[in-house]
Amino acid sequence: QKEVEQDPGPLSVPEGAIVSLNCTYSNSAFQYFMWYRQYSRKGPELLMYTYSSGNKEDGRFTAQVDKSSKYISLFIRDSQPSDSATYLCAMSQILTGGGNKLTFGTGTQLKVEL
Amino acid sequence: NAGVTQTPKFQVLKTGQSMTLQCAQDMNHEYMSWYRQDPGMGLRLIHYSVGAGITDQGEVPNGYNVSRSTTEDFPLRLLSAAPSQTSVYFCASSYSGHGEKLFFGSGTQLSVL
Repeated sequence: QKEVEQDPGPLSVPEGAIVSLNCTYSNSAFQYFMWYRQYSRKGPELLMYTYSSGNKEDGRFTAQVDKSSKYISLFIRDSQPSDSATYLCAMSQILTGGGNKLTFGTGTQLKVEL
Repeated sequence: NAGVTQTPKFQVLKTGQSMTLQCAQDMNHEYMSWYRQDPGMGLRLIHYSVGAGITDQGEVPNGYNVSRSTTEDFPLRLLSAAPSQTSVYFCASSYSGHGEKLFFGSGTQLSVL
């Protein structure tokens, strides 16, 4: 079983819809939770970064973390065609030696149609 | 700022050939890393560095070497290319010492025949 599970999609929604993207995880040592957006043939870019359980909002994007359920979500309001991309969740744990282990989900492909 | 620059963008190798993927960043980040991205596997860490002169192995280090002689550069060497190394390679850097807030390059698409 993978430490991080993410539905690969593809997910197709009409412009203006609310999009919900989700990841589940099994490692309770994960402390930091991130969402990256990756356009076709480009590198991922950091979209949201959270540390604690609860919600964090940035414009049309809201990241939600539920550590008790080991579940994170990214909500996109008023989705636009420019939001069409692959969304990767990522989780990080600090190792006892001071290093860091970052684990990515496999990504969900989103298409927002006119 | 250029950010993280990777060269080349595309490369085709024959089995057994060696090559170096170049990565440079101009953000004065201490942390740099190399990932490979394969369908259905997500991003997997190959090697990382927390500063000049310091490197360590990630999840899938076999067949790859790295060195970090300067803060700016972090090249990835394929010693003897194999078809299993066909992938898209990303270099990333971070101002966070823990390396979780990553800035990625645009990637190198490598095919090994």
